[in-house]
Amino acid sequence: NAGVTQTPKFRVLKTGQSMTLLCAQDMNHEYMYWYRQDPGMGLRLIHYSVGEGTTAKGEVPDGYNVSRLKKQNFLLGLESAAPSQTSVYFCASSYRYGLPYNEQFFGPGTRLTVL
Amino acid sequence: TQLLEQSPQFLSIQEGENLTVYCNSSSVFSSLQWYRQEPGEGPVLLVTVVTGGEVKKLKRLTFQFGDARKDSSLHITAAQPGDTGLYLCVRNQGGKLIFGQGTELSVKP
Repeated sequence: NAGVTQTPKFRVLKTGQSMTLLCAQDMNHEYMYWYRQDPGMGLRLIHYSVGEGTTAKGEVPDGYNVSRLKKQNFLLGLESAAPSQTSVYFCASSYRYGLPYNEQFFGPGTRLTVL
Repeated sequence: TQLLEQSPQFLSIQEGENLTVYCNSSSVFSSLQWYRQEPGEGPVLLVTVVTGGEVKKLKRLTFQFGDARKDSSLHITAAQPGDTGLYLCVRNQGGKLIFGQGTELSVKP
């Protein structure tokens, strides 16, 4: 039982390049999330999904796209990377949504640097 | 989005000391969670508090939810180097988690 896994762990891009971050979970969770973490700002929600084939915007969605073609996978894409997207990206999943005891399970993160 | 303010932002102490970190908001929230994030890892849930005035204990960690449900505190007794990490308070806003900026704790042996 691996929980939530993310690939790659590290990546360096040049401005304008594109890439896709992959998140996979083996807990059969319905809900999945992508966050970015910047120094002094906690985690901010980029996009999330409440089920296979559905996605929705979070707090900071600009410059990112997502897809949830399979229940266990949630992909985050950067079409044209910018230096402002340098950050650590976390994927998370949860069994419940919108309830006080909703626990999110996080992956280990992807450290992305855009030059 | 209702902000969560955490204090202090950084805390460096010696093993064996006690400490308290705080999480405050200008608005009332129905529940609050505390997560801990160790270096190089994702956050892990420590506790959820729901009722105003609620106190929960997790070994040497004591969590309190304010009576007015606008603030919370985390107290660690006899801190150990294994307590080192980023402590995040989190509120659930319509299913989406809103994170405070965190308190970075370093416990030196």
